[in-house]
Amino acid sequence: GAVVSQHPSRVICKSGTSVKIECRSLDFQATTMFWYRQFPKQSLMLMATSNEGSKATYEQGVEKDKFLINHASLTLSTLTVTSAHPEDSSFYICSARAFGPAGYTFGSGTRLTVV
Amino acid sequence: DQQVKQNSPSLSVQEGRISILNCDYTNSMFDYFLWYKKYPAEGPTFLISISSIKDKNEDGRFTVFLNKSAKHLSLHIVPSQPGDSAVYFCAAIQAGNQFYFGTGTSLTVIP
Repeated sequence: GAVVSQHPSRVICKSGTSVKIECRSLDFQATTMFWYRQFPKQSLMLMATSNEGSKATYEQGVEKDKFLINHASLTLSTLTVTSAHPEDSSFYICSARAFGPAGYTFGSGTRLTVV
Repeated sequence: DQQVKQNSPSLSVQEGRISILNCDYTNSMFDYFLWYKKYPAEGPTFLISISSIKDKNEDGRFTVFLNKSAKHLSLHIVPSQPGDSAVYFCAAIQAGNQFYFGTGTSLTVIP
């Protein structure tokens, strides 16, 4: 089946540094990928929709300059958390649509801890 | 504004019995509904889905029911197994792309 690979699974960084998270579709092409964030005991919140070859669409309240999204190819989208702060610590998950409306496949997630 | 709601944050069920997870939504334009299972520190995995034109979909131990007039869907797991213990999210899709997730229900199946 469709597989989405997300790396790294865990990252700890110092406050003020930037962190890049990669999301790859391994056996299918994804013109659209989605980035979610999950706070403890809360739902997955859509942050942005990543479109190959064009600018990402951000949800209301998500800072474009802080969460940089690049979707340079049909199999790779990256999320860069710039100038990270402790409040950015969270679980970030990407997903891509493979086959049909039920074919949304999720990455394994990245646990970001900013110290 | 939470368009998809799961009002029970947790549920405990005895092994072998039925687990019923509920989900309510507010947007009548949703055309597809899905259930995902999630373990801690992992991404959600797809479980079962249902189109808005149907009222029931069954896959093995999992059955999803949709009541459009009540804007309510439920996931039935029978018989429940300890390995089913996880957080379950319902999700709804509008216009093929925009995903809306519920807040999740943590299911514990007691051996």
